[in-house]
Amino acid sequence: GAGVSQSPSNKVTEKGKDVELRCDPISGHTALYWYRQSLGQGLEFLIYFQGNSAPDKSGLPSDRFSAERTGGSVSTLTIQRTQQEDSAVYLCASSLSSVGTYEQYFGPGTRLTVT
Amino acid sequence: QQQVKQSPQSLIVQKGGIPIINCAYENTAFDYFPWYQQFPGKGPALLIAIRPDVSEKKEGRFTISFNKSAKQFSLHIMDSQPGDSATYFCAAARVQTGANNLFFGTGTRLTVIP
Repeated sequence: GAGVSQSPSNKVTEKGKDVELRCDPISGHTALYWYRQSLGQGLEFLIYFQGNSAPDKSGLPSDRFSAERTGGSVSTLTIQRTQQEDSAVYLCASSLSSVGTYEQYFGPGTRLTVT
Repeated sequence: QQQVKQSPQSLIVQKGGIPIINCAYENTAFDYFPWYQQFPGKGPALLIAIRPDVSEKKEGRFTISFNKSAKQFSLHIMDSQPGDSATYFCAAARVQTGANNLFFGTGTRLTVIP
């Protein structure tokens, strides 16, 4: 079946502009995660959605970052007033997240470059 | 603060060799330990995972060894092939508490020489 998809695959933006990154999880997966992969920081957790529960935003690096998940499926990560240090690959993962099932499946990522 | 420490940073082995990648953690609340493989330009792909109630798990040529008392776990790749050349990440999560977000190691770049 189809895996996790993300769009765009690449995004170049000017410092100070807002960007939106999209994630389509695997159909039927109730949990959705955003991670950031950068050269200096490795893979770091940003935010986690589970069903209709309030999201776990504990990994968001600043209030310029926000995310929403509409209808329990598609998610959008928004970065406002982008800075050069936001340049990274943004990865989305989804999971069934039922008892005994914890495997997270990653999308190909969106490479964000802030100039 | 790096919650999962991974070594080595890079590893070169001959085809057929058995590369070993090691990870260590401090938080005893972690109860799920997956390994991911990542090729350039791709997202991480789940290879194999282990829960702390077992000391070893094998899937194909990949084996996880888990030492709960030492808070360490490692990945062994048997009969390594050039196609195994990739970056490998260990990770940990607290799934029993519902906090399923993964804490990743810093990655090991593996090169298998033909």
